[in-house]
Amino acid sequence: DTGVSQDPRHKITKRGQNVTFRCDPISEHNRLYWYRQTLGQGPEFLTYFQNEAQLEKSRLLSDRFSAERPKGSFSTLEIQRTEQGDSAMYLCASSPQSGTGRYEQYFGPGTRLTVT
Amino acid sequence: GQQLNQSPQSMFIQEGEDVSMNCTSSSIFNTWLWYKQDPGEGPVLLIALYKAGELTSNGRLTAQFGITRKDSFLNISASIPSDVGIYFCAGRHMDSNYQLIWGAGTKLIIKP
Repeated sequence: DTGVSQDPRHKITKRGQNVTFRCDPISEHNRLYWYRQTLGQGPEFLTYFQNEAQLEKSRLLSDRFSAERPKGSFSTLEIQRTEQGDSAMYLCASSPQSGTGRYEQYFGPGTRLTVT
Repeated sequence: GQQLNQSPQSMFIQEGEDVSMNCTSSSIFNTWLWYKQDPGEGPVLLIALYKAGELTSNGRLTAQFGITRKDSFLNISASIPSDVGIYFCAGRHMDSNYQLIWGAGTKLIIKP
């Protein structure tokens, strides 16, 4: 049973560049989430997918952020025109099929983004 | 946004001591989750609770879903050095089928 994987683990980019992160959820999970976490804080919700449908997007998420899950399996998170304030850990999580009554979320190792 | 009240914020303990931490909310939750996070890593799920009054163990860890459904507790018995890290609680509100509300974390530090 492989867990949630994320790639890359670390990304350093210059301000103004675009970056894209990938998440592969646990294979039998149909729900996928993206979070952002800064030092000393808990995870902050960004967006939620059920299968390929993006059902919720945080109001805190600027238009520079976009996420996709084209085939209901892996997901990508893209940040355009990065700013120094985007520096954070980006976490992906997945949870079991809707309808199972289970809501626990399993997290990947995260992608640490540093914008210089 | 809404946050759970998690306490204590940090704990300095001796190896071998028992540890207790808790989370409280002003509203009712249907799910309580406890996670541990090491530096530079994602949170790891420790225990999931789904029923009021439920008491669940995972090795030296025990967590309880409060009977009022507004709180949860995590206990660690006989702490060891690898218990160091940040522990987060997260709750799912009764009106949500996916979104979690997070505590601010409890940082566990073992005195040398």
